[in-house]
Amino acid sequence: GAVVSQHPSRVICKSGTSVKIECRSLDFQATTMFWYRQFPKKSLMLMATSNEGSKATYEQGVEKDKFLINHASLTLSTLTVTSAHPEDSSFYICSASGLERRAFDSYEQYFGPGTRLTVT
Amino acid sequence: ELKVEQNPLFLSMQEGKNYTIYCNYSTTSDRLYWYRQDPGKSLESLFVLLSNGAVKQEGRLMASLDTKARLSTLHITAAVHDLSATYFCAVDIGGGSRLTFGEGTQLTVNP
Repeated sequence: GAVVSQHPSRVICKSGTSVKIECRSLDFQATTMFWYRQFPKKSLMLMATSNEGSKATYEQGVEKDKFLINHASLTLSTLTVTSAHPEDSSFYICSASGLERRAFDSYEQYFGPGTRLTVT
Repeated sequence: ELKVEQNPLFLSMQEGKNYTIYCNYSTTSDRLYWYRQDPGKSLESLFVLLSNGAVKQEGRLMASLDTKARLSTLHITAAVHDLSATYFCAVDIGGGSRLTFGEGTQLTVNP
């Protein structure tokens, strides 16, 4: 159990366009979802935390107008990279923690497979 | 600001040997995670350590947590090639499941 999917797994876009990445919890309800980015051979950096039905909380230094996050339901969060530029190229990973305390460790985060964004 | 430091960052070891990866963090936290990442892949959860003195083992890997020393260790016993990966520790900031990750330890196990 506790499967998180991301779509797309890989995307290439032109500079100046916007890209939407979806994160879904497939078999549990995710009250909280997290978005991370990872540069090659580097660690993960938390970008923002989103709770269902409320505005996302962004980490210091992350532009909320550039990285739009929507957590519309207990199984879906989206990250939209607006007006993408080559420096936004990265590996974006979402994670989710959920309500199913009986079935899963309530402190566990379940990570999606990641989305590799390349901006040309 | 919470800092999480791993040591070593690169580790090359022979099959059959034992080694320990260290994770130090700079502020109080009672929740520490270990993850494995293979190249081009996302994270695989290894351990969640929730209290001082917690010890968990799975196969050739054993993790422990000392909250007073702000230190966690990941011990590898009799390494095999399949353990080659990057290992991250991560610390929960303030109990809200916002994780700060260490830099990662790139482990290579040589035949």
